Amino acid sequence: GAVVSQHPSRVICKSGTSVKIECRSLDFQATTMFWYRQFPKQSLMLMATSNEGSKATYEQGVEKDKFLINHASLTLSTLTVTSAHPEDSSFYICSAIEGARGDEQFFGPGTRLTVL
Amino acid sequence: KQEVTQIPAALSVPEGENLVLNCSFTDSAIYNLQWFRQDPGKGLTSLLLIQSSQREQTSGRLNASLDKSSGRSTLYIAASQPGDSATYLCAVNGYALNFGKGTSLLVTP
Repeated sequence: GAVVSQHPSRVICKSGTSVKIECRSLDFQATTMFWYRQFPKQSLMLMATSNEGSKATYEQGVEKDKFLINHASLTLSTLTVTSAHPEDSSFYICSAIEGARGDEQFFGPGTRLTVL
Repeated sequence: KQEVTQIPAALSVPEGENLVLNCSFTDSAIYNLQWFRQDPGKGLTSLLLIQSSQREQTSGRLNASLDKSSGRSTLYIAASQPGDSATYLCAVNGYALNFGKGTSLLVTP
């Protein structure tokens, strides 16, 4: 149990386009979801915390208008990278918390975004 | 499939002690290995990142080592403090990020 999926696993897009990444909790209701990114040879960094039905909380330095997060249901959160540029190329990973299980985070497998 | 194991699952020590957390992994084909700290209800805080070509990284009272050939990493915490109480996660980055289950650390005053 407690499986989190991400789609797509890899995406290549042209500069200026928008890319949507989905994060789904498959067998539980996720009260909270987190979005992370990892640039090559750097640590995984928290981007934002997303609670169902409310606005996401962004970490310092993360542009909320560029990285749109929607957590419209208890099983789905989406991250949209708007007007993507090559510097947005990164590994994006989400995680989810099921409130009934406490604070344990369940992680998705990640999405590798390459912007040409 | 990459399997990441952390030992011990839980640890309680008095303040001031030096301690070692262990992480082992089954597939040595990795890009890097990271140690994270997780506080209740919070996202992960990255502590140290070791590239596959490196053997050691240090940050303050923390030192992490990596022996890729044997599939092991250790996190050494010197002079532990109550504020160090948290769950410590080891994550191995191959094609995807694989985490261990963590070591829950309690440092008592």
